[in-house]
Amino acid sequence: DVKVTQSSRYLVKRTGEKVFLECVQDMDHENMFWYRQDPGLGLRLIYFSYDVKMKEKGDIPEGYSVSREKKERFSLILESASTNQTSMYLCASREDRGLDQPQHFGDGTRLSIL
Amino acid sequence: AQSVSQHNHHVILSEAASLELGCNYSYGGTVNLFWYVQYPGQHLQLLLKYFSGDPLVKGIKGFEAEFIKSKFSFNLRKPSVQWSDTAEYFCAVKPYNQGGKLIFGQGTELSVKP
Repeated sequence: DVKVTQSSRYLVKRTGEKVFLECVQDMDHENMFWYRQDPGLGLRLIYFSYDVKMKEKGDIPEGYSVSREKKERFSLILESASTNQTSMYLCASREDRGLDQPQHFGDGTRLSIL
Repeated sequence: AQSVSQHNHHVILSEAASLELGCNYSYGGTVNLFWYVQYPGQHLQLLLKYFSGDPLVKGIKGFEAEFIKSKFSFNLRKPSVQWSDTAEYFCAVKPYNQGGKLIFGQGTELSVKP
């Protein structure tokens, strides 16, 4: 069974801090994704990575960056946290084989920026 | 812009009632379609997916969905809901030529009264 692990379930940070959210998957998946989930807006894609050291912007990349130095790990970075980045952050991974492969999600990190 | 629309934000049903959740998307090309479910406090899980072939697909826990290409719709159905179906449901579309990216709807919160 696919396991996607996000390092923290809950995180509280202050405005202006640099924040790191970590995600690790154990299935050697090529593709990894970061979303934020907000009530009434569903999931919105921040960044994704097709493979190691590759990254592409999603729909709402402003204020975020990512790092994929190893295949199993995909990090989301808030360069200078702001209150409008308070949200639930979801990481997902996907095997890049066939068009119908689903994404597998972690439990999420609920981030509060004070 | 590509988008996915779920018509109902919050649905309240009694046990044994029938369920239909609407999902429409705006994309003219070939798509793969997914329904995900998020039970309270848990990660998103795949309910079912449409890739090709029979437009009526069956998923886990008695759910099914029908792809109607002419209506750009992929509605989720269940003949008789249970209290344990209380969750948030997300429709997602994967355009054919965009790798593994998913576009999610806003989500529908389902509350089933015992």
